[in-house]
Amino acid sequence: DSGVTQTPKHLITATGQRVTLRCSPRSGDLSVYWYQQSLDQGLQFLIQYYNGEERAKGNILERFSAQQFPDLHSELNLSSLELGDSALYFCASSARRGVGNTIYFGEGSWLTVV
Amino acid sequence: ELKVEQNPLFLSMQEGKNYTIYCNYSTTSDRLYWYRQDPGKSLESLFVLLSNGAVKQEGRLMASLDTKARLSTLHITAAVHDLSATYFCAVDGYNAGNMLTFGGGTRLMVKP
Repeated sequence: DSGVTQTPKHLITATGQRVTLRCSPRSGDLSVYWYQQSLDQGLQFLIQYYNGEERAKGNILERFSAQQFPDLHSELNLSSLELGDSALYFCASSARRGVGNTIYFGEGSWLTVV
Repeated sequence: ELKVEQNPLFLSMQEGKNYTIYCNYSTTSDRLYWYRQDPGKSLESLFVLLSNGAVKQEGRLMASLDTKARLSTLHITAAVHDLSATYFCAVDGYNAGNMLTFGGGTRLMVKP
């Protein structure tokens, strides 16, 4: 158990809908990351937050957005869902700003768009 | 754009054998991560390599980093069935740190 908690674990929804994935980082970790894992794209970095502020942005679609709240939990919002958004979405956290920190991943949220 | 390539993509080996997984990357970085993933599960951190020549070992796994060659290796010694999983390397090429670009993964199957 990495200490990173994600909910829901599984989610099935229809095209065009909107969903919210939630993440609680490890106790004390200030950085939260979101990654998407799919068969065709592999593991892709989406976005990083540090202590409530956006720090880095990767291949995140405009239909997707995220935020980190004062209690450090984070949410990833996915809207106007398409079949191709079906994937495993990971949240990860690390202790502090800077390089070389171990990054711990949660169990992931399986999203299926039908 | 940072690219990370692993080979082989699939590896089937017998218990007791040794093998090496290679991870090549395209831009300068001295921060290299190895993760293990069981099917449908999370990514488990194995090693964090932070300098040229870094070598870390845990049990039957040993990872090394050559930043000049832009190459990391994950060496498996005397494989056992429990090592069957997919192994990913990831490179942090971001100046501010901790934005990982992953390789495609190496699916390892160790046959008893």
